[in-house]
Amino acid sequence: QVELVQSGAEVRKPGASVKVSCQASGYNFHSYGFNWVRQAPGQGLEWMGWIAASNGNTNYAQKFQGRVTMTTDTSANTVFMDVRGLRSDDTAVYFCARGLSYTRGADYWGQGTLVTVSS
Amino acid sequence: SYVLTQPPSVSVAPGKTASLTCGGNNIGSKSVHWYQQKPGQAPVLVINSDTDRPSGIPDRFSGSNSGNTATLTISRVEAGDEADYYCQVWDSSGDHSWVFGGGTKLTVL
Repeated sequence: QVELVQSGAEVRKPGASVKVSCQASGYNFHSYGFNWVRQAPGQGLEWMGWIAASNGNTNYAQKFQGRVTMTTDTSANTVFMDVRGLRSDDTAVYFCARGLSYTRGADYWGQGTLVTVSS
Repeated sequence: SYVLTQPPSVSVAPGKTASLTCGGNNIGSKSVHWYQQKPGQAPVLVINSDTDRPSGIPDRFSGSNSGNTATLTISRVEAGDEADYYCQVWDSSGDHSWVFGGGTKLTVL
């Protein structure tokens, strides 16, 4: 069965960086891509960008360009998202979500990774 | 940038039908996806591309999309349907990004 397992919760100080991982299993990794979506406490969903697992092509939301980098390790069926220059308003649960393309819905989601930014 | 508007809350009695709307300028020309999210859990795709129901989603869930409004309809509502529901589209003409509605909290009375 399809499963996306994310790395554990992180705490960072303002200005620091964090790297979140998402390991996929149960399907052909190269056939799909991954969206990253975050949710601040008590708030709605916010899309951060997309990465194609087959070739690493990315499409970042304008808001996050220059501050976020998404990468893949195809040997480990894993995608990563690196967020730099963290601020307190980056405190959120970060989800990876599988999709055939960024124009389609995301049919499987990771369990989420809480990133807390606090001095 | 493209804006999706959802009512903050909808209430419905068990066994009745809930209609959750998602408004956007000419949204009928876009593919709309709907997600259900229960507290402390990841979202679940319940409707893909306007009307497609993923495997495992009950046929009580259906979707439609026309003009300036997309609608998620939940028939024979159950207590377990109580959740937040988000609509989402791909904005190909503006920011080239996903856009989410603000979400609707469905309360089962």
